[in-house]
Formats: sequence, structure tokens, C-alpha cells
Amino acid sequence: GAVVSQHPSRVICKSGTSVKIECRSLDFQATTMFWYRQFPKQSLMLMATSNEGSKATYEQGVEKDKFLINHASLTLSTLTVTSAHPEDSSFYICSATWTGITEAFFGQGTRLTVV
Amino acid sequence: GQNIDQPTEMTATEGAIVQINCTYQTSGFNGLFWYQQHAGEAPTFLSYNVLDGLEEKGRFSSFLSRSKGYSYLLLKELQMKDSASYLCAVMDSNYQLIWGAGTKLIIKP
Repeated sequence: GAVVSQHPSRVICKSGTSVKIECRSLDFQATTMFWYRQFPKQSLMLMATSNEGSKATYEQGVEKDKFLINHASLTLSTLTVTSAHPEDSSFYICSATWTGITEAFFGQGTRLTVV
Repeated sequence: GQNIDQPTEMTATEGAIVQINCTYQTSGFNGLFWYQQHAGEAPTFLSYNVLDGLEEKGRFSSFLSRSKGYSYLLLKELQMKDSASYLCAVMDSNYQLIWGAGTKLIIKP
């Protein structure tokens, strides 16, 4: 199956700093990437949908100025958590797909801890 | 290594019942999720099981046996709109999600 690589898998940062998470499709061109966050023992919550070359579409309640998403190429999307606070500590996961298929392929996730 | 197995594809008839199985081998267990995904859309959450037994939610039910490393998703009164991929995912001891490849369910009239 198609492979999506997400990096880093874990990151600890100080309050007020920014953290960038990368999501790469290794063997296919991802026309669409999804970014999720998940608190322990809860469902994935979709944060935003990003299509290559266009602005991301954010879900209601997600601050687009805080969670910056860039999808500049068909194999890379980034999520930058700006001015991170402890309440941003969560599990972030990306998934990627391409037009016309059912499946979406997920990255391994990134556990962010803000101290 | 960690592994999630589910059938690649299943076919069922509208109005019938279908059971999608998922077996897993992971380092630790912090719950099993089922997601539905329609073509070109983000997955949507269906169920979460962390204790053994059956969880019923409308037409969908999910069962878990931790001792057997086994779960199934049961869909009743199938509708055409249920044609989608169904993803099984297990959260391991590090709270990392281990995902199955998904089962594509085809509903025929």
C-alpha cells in the first residue's frame, strides 16, 4: 500500500514556541491531505483539509492562524503549531489521498507535549 | 512487530447484515477504533472499544475481545450509502495509532 511518513513522531516544546510537523507521501502524489488531532482515548478530530496548491479548509473551531497548514507540493504538507500552549498537547495525525480513490493513507502520528 | 489485519474487500446486499473482522497484534492496547471513509472524504469515527464486549450504536455495532486480539464491526439493514471503506485502528501502549489497511465494502441492490 501507499506510504505516508509523518515526522517527528514525538516532540516536546516550551510554551510560546512553534512546532512544525511534516507529512510526506513517499510513493504517490497526494492531492489531498487531512490533519487530525486526538486526545487520549478519544476519536480523531479533523482539523483541516488541504489540497495541493490551495489554502487549507479548516473545521469549525480550529484557529487557522494558530495551526498553519502548507501543502506546497504533491508529496509534502506541513502543520505548524504557533505559540504553542500546554492545551495544544495532543496527538496529531495526517492522512493523504488522491483523487478518485476510496482509501486514505495515514501517517504514524506526532505526539506533541508543550511544557 | 505490530500488525492489523482486515479483509481487503467485501460485498453485501442492500438490507442484509455484514460483519467486518479485524485482528491485531500490537505492543500494548489502549483501545480499538472503527472508521468509515467515503471516496475522497476524510474518515469519520464510528466506534471505540476499550473493554471486551459489544457496543451498539444504531445500525452499527462493534465487538472486542482483547484476549483474542479480535474485533468486528457489524452493519445491519445495509443501505447503499454504506458503501465505503472501513478502517480498524488500534492505539498501542505509546498512544500511537496502528492502522489497518481498510476494508472496502461494496453494497449491491
